[in-house]
Formats: sequence, C-alpha cells, structure tokens
Amino acid sequence: EVQLVESGGGLLHPGGSLRLSCVVSGFTFSNYAMNWVRQAPGKGLEWVSSITSDSSTIYYADSVKGRFTISRDNSKNTLYLQMNSLRAEDTAVYYCAKPLRTYYSLDAFDVWGQGTKVTVSS
Amino acid sequence: EIVLTQSPVTLSLSAGETATLSCRASQSISTFLAWYQQKPGQTPRLLIYAASNRATGIPAKFSGSGSGTDFTLTISNLEPEDVAVYYCQQRGNPLTFGGGTKVEIK
Repeated sequence: EVQLVESGGGLLHPGGSLRLSCVVSGFTFSNYAMNWVRQAPGKGLEWVSSITSDSSTIYYADSVKGRFTISRDNSKNTLYLQMNSLRAEDTAVYYCAKPLRTYYSLDAFDVWGQGTKVTVSS
Repeated sequence: EIVLTQSPVTLSLSAGETATLSCRASQSISTFLAWYQQKPGQTPRLLIYAASNRATGIPAKFSGSGSGTDFTLTISNLEPEDVAVYYCQQRGNPLTFGGGTKVEIK
C-alpha cells in the first residue's frame, strides 16, 4: 500500500522555523519527484514546492520563495520542507503529494499524505 | 502564472441529477488539467487527469472534458456521498489550483 506520512507540524510564533518530514512507503521513492501542497483553514489548495527525483530541479511558489527549502533523502524515503521566517499566512495543513507519473515533477497528484498542521500565531 | 477560475462556487442539486462543473484557464493549457474531490475532513482525491482520463478506481459517473482554456467535470446520478469540494489543477510552473466548487445535495 502506498503511504505518505507527514510529521513536524506545530504551533509557533511569527519569524520562527520548522521542518516538516514526509516518510513514504509502498513505491520506489527515488523514481518520483515529490511536492508539498498546503491548505489554509477553510480555504483551497495551494501548491508550495516541487523537487525532482534526483534533487536536480526545484520549484517554489512565489509566496514561499526565499523562506522555504525543499529537500529529500532517497536513502531514507523521506521528503522535507524547511520553513523559515514563518508568517501568519503560512498557517495551513501541509500535505506531501506524489505525482501520478515518474517523468513529471509537476503533475496530477495521485497520492496524498494525511497532512500536518502548522499554526503561526503570536 | 496561470489562473484557474471555477464556476459556480456552489452547486446545489437534487440526488439523481447531473452536476456540471466548469474550470477556465487564463491561457491555454492543452489538456494538462486534473480534477480532485475533497470531502469534509478528508484529503484530496484525484478523479481525472489529462482532462479526461479517470484515475485508478474512479467510477464512470465522473467524467472530464475540454482542452485549451475551458474544461468540464461532469458528475452523473448525484448521490449524497458526492457532497464535496471539487478542485481543478494545472501542472505548469507554478502549479495552480482553482478556487473550488462546493457540491451540495438539496
């Protein structure tokens, strides 16, 4: 069974930092790009970042560029999102998401984790 | 950035009816469009990719069509379990989602 399990969310003050993790199982992680998508409370979906299978190409949404860093460890089947200089508007559930096809980093997402909640508040 | 505009924002229909959801892109995206269903308290579920291809395990009551800038998700024989928010998504850089259409049963 394909599974994505996020962790690392929490409550923190503006300006703080947090690292999210997503451990995957059930498929060959090293063959797929991976993505982070977030959803603010009561709002729609917002793509955050993408990383190719070999980490050679990385994309960010403008809203997080320069503050967030995506990375992965294929030996540990784990995707990361380092979040710095956090703002209230970063408050959301953060999902890791697997693309449908191996050859696209930006694609439809056929598997989603359950999400980890990040709350930024003073 | 490609903007996806979904309409209507809310769709209220009776059980058994057919729901027609629209997604319009601000520029042509060929058929690079996906549709998701998100039920209350759940994670998104991929329904359709490449505009008209059903994802694994998705019943035939869900169908997608369109190309270029105008796309449609059709849900036939609406049932209470279809109550959800439906999102469209394009896979350019940056990847973007539409604002969603909430489907309700009268």
